[in-house]
Amino acid sequence: GQQLNQSPQSMFIQEGEDVSMNCTSSSIFNTWLWYKQDPGEGPVLLIALYKAGELTSNGRLTAQFGITRKDSFLNISASIPSDVGIYFCAGQTGANSKLTFGKGITLSVRP
Amino acid sequence: DAGVTQSPTHLIKTRGQHVTLRCSPISGHKSVSWYQQVLGQGPQFIFQYYEKEERGRGNFPDRFSARQFPNYSSELNVNALLLGDSALYLCASSRTLTGRYSNQPQHFGDGTRLSIL
Repeated sequence: GQQLNQSPQSMFIQEGEDVSMNCTSSSIFNTWLWYKQDPGEGPVLLIALYKAGELTSNGRLTAQFGITRKDSFLNISASIPSDVGIYFCAGQTGANSKLTFGKGITLSVRP
Repeated sequence: DAGVTQSPTHLIKTRGQHVTLRCSPISGHKSVSWYQQVLGQGPQFIFQYYEKEERGRGNFPDRFSARQFPNYSSELNVNALLLGDSALYLCASSRTLTGRYSNQPQHFGDGTRLSIL
């Protein structure tokens, strides 16, 4: 099935560093969401974006909805060990429609 | 408030058997969606239900079926299990589907880990 493009597959950073992830698609989405998944758990919603160009923050996390509606970015500032996990982007074409996910990026934080 | 709850947490079946997975949405949420997540991949959409009616279906064979009950809980059924059905099955709920511009993010449960031997 269709998936959004997330790369690289894995990222390794030092505690305290900032990290940026992006997500791209060949199709337009009207809603972009970022989820984090820890081992043995379901995805947890981090940020939801509903308007092209929108920039939204949630604590140390900031995400942007690309103007073309075909991409989104997630930034994590001042990383800490609990930021370790898999970060998924997801898109929706219509309000409350199905989610289309990327393959995820596994983030490792070195103390 | 309790989040999305799924049962069982783990399940082991053999090829050819059938399985029923259960999901209780967040209180007040009327829409339930099911996703399949195989190792190393993002979740793939299977079904969406709202007010007991199917509102969306992903690219899965007819062996997969689901239903939603009057209390908004849901079941996912899979018949004639194959080895490739081994995956984490996730349920997500959202408040409603109504309202063209209503923003209703989906919240996930911790899933049922299904292993086929």
